[in-house]
Amino acid sequence: NAGVTQTPKFQVLKTGQSMTLQCAQDMNHNSMYWYRQDPGMGLRLIYYSASEGTTDKGEVPNGYNVSRLNKREFSLRLESAAPSQTSVYFCASFQVQGLAFFGQGTRLTVV
Amino acid sequence: GENVEQHPSTLSVQEGDSAVIKCTYSDSASNYFPWYKQELGKRPQLIIDIRSNVGEKKDQRIAVTLNKTAKHFSLHITETQPEDSAVYFCAASRGVTGGGNKLTFGTGTQLKVEL
Repeated sequence: NAGVTQTPKFQVLKTGQSMTLQCAQDMNHNSMYWYRQDPGMGLRLIYYSASEGTTDKGEVPNGYNVSRLNKREFSLRLESAAPSQTSVYFCASFQVQGLAFFGQGTRLTVV
Repeated sequence: GENVEQHPSTLSVQEGDSAVIKCTYSDSASNYFPWYKQELGKRPQLIIDIRSNVGEKKDQRIAVTLNKTAKHFSLHITETQPEDSAVYFCAASRGVTGGGNKLTFGTGTQLKVEL
């Protein structure tokens, strides 16, 4: 039972490049989320998916797109990376009662 | 939407002392309040949570209190140890009652336990 698996762990992009962050959970949770973490700003919600087939914007969605591929997988795409997107990204899946399980994080640097 | 404020941003205590971190929330419909601990370079991990039908919950050296009327909740760590040093996040959500399970986090408290 792996929980929430996130790839890659580290990534360096040049401004304007694109990439997709992958997230998969094996806990049969309906809800999956993407957060970004920046110093002094806590965890801010980018996008979430309350169930398979639905996605909604969070607090900071600009510059990102998401795909809920199936119940297990929820990917985050940066179409044209910008230095402001340098951050640590966490995927999380949620039990019905609200308990969140986090992936190990992706440290992204955009130069 | 929900807004969660957390104080202090940094907290330094002597080993064996108590530490208290406070959070306030804005959405009166929030009913689930977890606390996460994040060690350097690691993912956030749940340490304790409380639901709006109780006022206090304790787990060994950790306790959380909730005041629904004032819309604030607090984390209490007693007999602090060096391994308690980490960043602590409070969060709030409507849980299963609506709005999906959108979890809104505070900005975090860096706790340092000094020998």
